[in-house]
Amino acid sequence: KAGVTQTPRYLIKTRGQQVTLSCSPISGHRSVSWYQQTPGQGLQFLFEYFSETQRNKGNFPGRFSGRQFSNSRSEMNVSTLELGDSALYLCASSSRLAGGSYNEQFFGPGTRLTVL
Amino acid sequence: AQRVTQPEKLLSVFKGAPVELKCNYSYSGSPELFWYVQYSRQRLQLLLRHISRESIKGFTADLNKGETSFHLKKPFAQEEDSAMYYCALMFSGGYNKLIFGAGTRLAVHP
Repeated sequence: KAGVTQTPRYLIKTRGQQVTLSCSPISGHRSVSWYQQTPGQGLQFLFEYFSETQRNKGNFPGRFSGRQFSNSRSEMNVSTLELGDSALYLCASSSRLAGGSYNEQFFGPGTRLTVL
Repeated sequence: AQRVTQPEKLLSVFKGAPVELKCNYSYSGSPELFWYVQYSRQRLQLLLRHISRESIKGFTADLNKGETSFHLKKPFAQEEDSAMYYCALMFSGGYNKLIFGAGTRLAVHP
């Protein structure tokens, strides 16, 4: 199976702009989670989507949003970019088990966002 | 509050020495614990999951609920073990959300 893919891999934006990042999960995986990785805060959970519904959300401002499509592909959007949004954004996909729990999360290579 | 603590930022050992990467967690429910590893220029990948109770690449980890710990151990470190290691906690109740520790960089010297 092909792994999780993320596009673009690198992005440079200026303050105030908005950005959209894309994630294609492993085929058959319906859960997609997003994480922000920075040197100061480490890996922090942003949100998780399952079957086009946001099921979990981390402690991030409303400028961070996402969505999931019927083919399980997901996008996250950051509006009104701030310098502090510079980070590696990772997405991960997993499958859901019959009992409602989840298999392991498989991570993509990330999108490195630089805000100038 | 839910938290995962990895007290060491860097662990430096010589090849063949035992390794223990510490992880403590704070969670009121029944968590599921993981170790993820990131080798240089590679993506984050799962190393161990506590419910599987497997040994992967010679690494083992035991969940100690009394001490709320999930330390990662290997009896004889290899140079190829050099990487960033993250301990992570998943909430119970069907929440697909990982809380990560800050990570420990393991450097194995020849």
